[in-house]
Order: sequence, then C-alpha cells, then structure tokens
Amino acid sequence: DQQVKQNSPSLSVQEGRISILNCDYTNSMFDYFLWYKKYPAEGPTFLISISSIKDKNEDGRFTVFLNKSAKHLSLHIVPSQPGDSAVYFCAASGRIDYKLSFGAGTTVTVRA
Amino acid sequence: ETGVTQSPTHLIKTRGQQVTLRCSSQSGHNTVSWYQQALGQGPQFIFQYYREEENGRGNFPPRFSGLQFPNYSSELNVNALELDDSALYLCASSEQNTGELFFGEGSRLTVL
Repeated sequence: DQQVKQNSPSLSVQEGRISILNCDYTNSMFDYFLWYKKYPAEGPTFLISISSIKDKNEDGRFTVFLNKSAKHLSLHIVPSQPGDSAVYFCAASGRIDYKLSFGAGTTVTVRA
Repeated sequence: ETGVTQSPTHLIKTRGQQVTLRCSSQSGHNTVSWYQQALGQGPQFIFQYYREEENGRGNFPPRFSGLQFPNYSSELNVNALELDDSALYLCASSEQNTGELFFGEGSRLTVL
C-alpha cells in the first residue's frame, strides 16, 4: 500500500530553468514532509522539510509547497544546476511517529 | 564529525542463508532506523531502535531482526534469505524525535 506517490519517474530540465517535482500522499495522519536527494552509490541526503502548519518553506534555491486539502506537495528548484541531477525522494511521517514513508523517487536530469 | 557508516558495502548470499549487516551511527545520534530499497522503489521502513530497544516496526516478517548496542551502533539480521530480499539496505541515524535522518551509503545484498 503506497501511501506516498511520485507519479513522474523522471524529469529533464534545462540548466537555469525551474524544476518542479510533485508528490501525493493518502494518509491524512501525515503531518511532516521531507525531500531527500540521492546520487548513485550514495545514501539519500536530507534536502528540505515542511510541517503541516505551514504551506511553504524556502531554503536557497529550494522551495517546498504543501497543499493539505489536496494531500499534495511539490519541490521547486530555481535555477536548476547540473549538480542537481539526482534522484529525489518525497517522504512523510506522522507527528510522533518519525518512521518515514517514501515515494518511489523522481530522477532529475539537468541539461547544460 | 563522523557520518553513518555501513558494512559490508556489497555481498552475495544464497537462498536460505543468513546475513548480518552493520551500521555505525553518526556521533551524537541515539536512534537508528533501517530501510530496504528494492530496485526502482523508494526505501521501505523495516524498524527503528532507540536506546537499544525496538521503537517501531514496518511490514516485515520476524526473520528480519535487529540490535542496537550501547554505543548506538546497530545490526540488521535476516534469516532464511529469499530471492526477494535482494535490495539495498540503508541505515539512518538521528536524534530522537527528529524527522531528519542521516543515511549511510547502504549495503547491497544479492540473494541467488
């Protein structure tokens, strides 16, 4: 039962443009959401998070938007850089339970 | 500051065998979580340990077991290996009650 879904397995974007990654969830008990980035042969690394009391969180080039009513979140990367080419995982957990449920990932390729 | 380290990085076993995977948590972290990542999927939560006690378990059978030691390092043991156990096993450490996990590079298990 996939509670976190990333419906786009891949995304190709030109350097300097915006990358938008989408994520949907089904469990209404989730209230903490994170994005992780993974390079080949490395473990996932934390990128940015948002709690359900907010609808936006920004960190440099990365912004996460949360729409609780739609059970949808998105990650915006502006501007996209070649080093952003990686697999991006969306993850979610409940308030007390910090066991993360992950999506299947979106592979981002930034073209020069 | 030492990050999360896992060993071995790769290993091959045959069906029915047993395997032990090891993880050293990041300095200062008292919580260790284990995840299984099958090819093309996101990480799936196996279990979490806090101060040497199991602190939650995902949908994995009892032949998946674990330990956490006083220095917060951890082991994942899998008995009676099956072909479907072939995956990348990720260890992540954190401080308690924080959702930000710090992952190791993973142990790639192949079951033949």
